[in-house]
Amino acid sequence: AQSVSQHNHHVILSEAASLELGCNYSYGGTVNLFWYVQYPGQHLQLLLKYFSGDPLVKGIKGFEAEFIKSKFSFNLRKPSVQWSDTAEYFCAVNGDNAGNMLTFGGGTRLMVKP
Amino acid sequence: DTGVSQNPRHKITKRGQNVTFRCDPISEHNRLYWYRQTLGQGPEFLTYFQNEAQLEKSRLLSDRFSAERPKGSFSTLEIQRTEQGDSAMYLCASSRSSKTSGRSDTQYFGPGTRLTVL
Repeated sequence: AQSVSQHNHHVILSEAASLELGCNYSYGGTVNLFWYVQYPGQHLQLLLKYFSGDPLVKGIKGFEAEFIKSKFSFNLRKPSVQWSDTAEYFCAVNGDNAGNMLTFGGGTRLMVKP
Repeated sequence: DTGVSQNPRHKITKRGQNVTFRCDPISEHNRLYWYRQTLGQGPEFLTYFQNEAQLEKSRLLSDRFSAERPKGSFSTLEIQRTEQGDSAMYLCASSRSSKTSGRSDTQYFGPGTRLTVL
C-alpha cells in the first residue's frame, strides 16, 4: 500500500521568506508524485508533478520540488513566498501497481504574513 | 476546457435520508474519480471509472454508497441512509488516459460538494 506523510501541518512565514514543505511517501515500487494547492475558497489545483527523468521539477508560480528516491521524499520549495501563496498544500503519490488511485498527505496549511 | 463541475455545492440533510451528487468531468476525459475529504485531512480515494466501467472501489466505500457513470460522461454518487460520519467534502476529478507507460494521469479536481448530515 502507498502512503504519504506531510510533517508540517501549519507553517507561518513572512513575505520574501524561503519555503520548504516536507513530503515523504511509502511505496516499494516506481512512483509518480504530485503537489496540489488549494487556495482559500477554491478547488484543488495542480502545482507540479514528477513522472521520471530530472528529479528537480519546476511548476507554476515559481514552485519547484525535488524527488530524492533514497529518502522517499518529494519536498516542495519556493525561494521567496508572497502573501498570495497563502493556501493549503497537498502532496500525493500514485504507485505503479496502485491503479489510478492518488494517495494524499494530510496537507500543510501555509500562511504568509504581508 | 470548462473544468470539472459538481452539483450541488452544498447539501444539508437529516440522518437517514438519501442524497445524490453529480459530477460533470472535463469533456473528452475518459476517467472519473470520486474522493472524500474531511476537515484537516487530505482527500481519500473512493472509486474510479474508465468510461462507464467502475474499475476500482476503496474499502471506504460502504454498501450505502453507490456510484454510476451510465454513459461514460457525467457521474452520480448516491449515499443511502446517511449518517453523521458521512459529513465531508465529496470531490470529483477527471483525467485523460495517459498514453505513456509508467505515467499516471493528471487528475483535475472540481470544487466539491460539501455534505452536512444533521
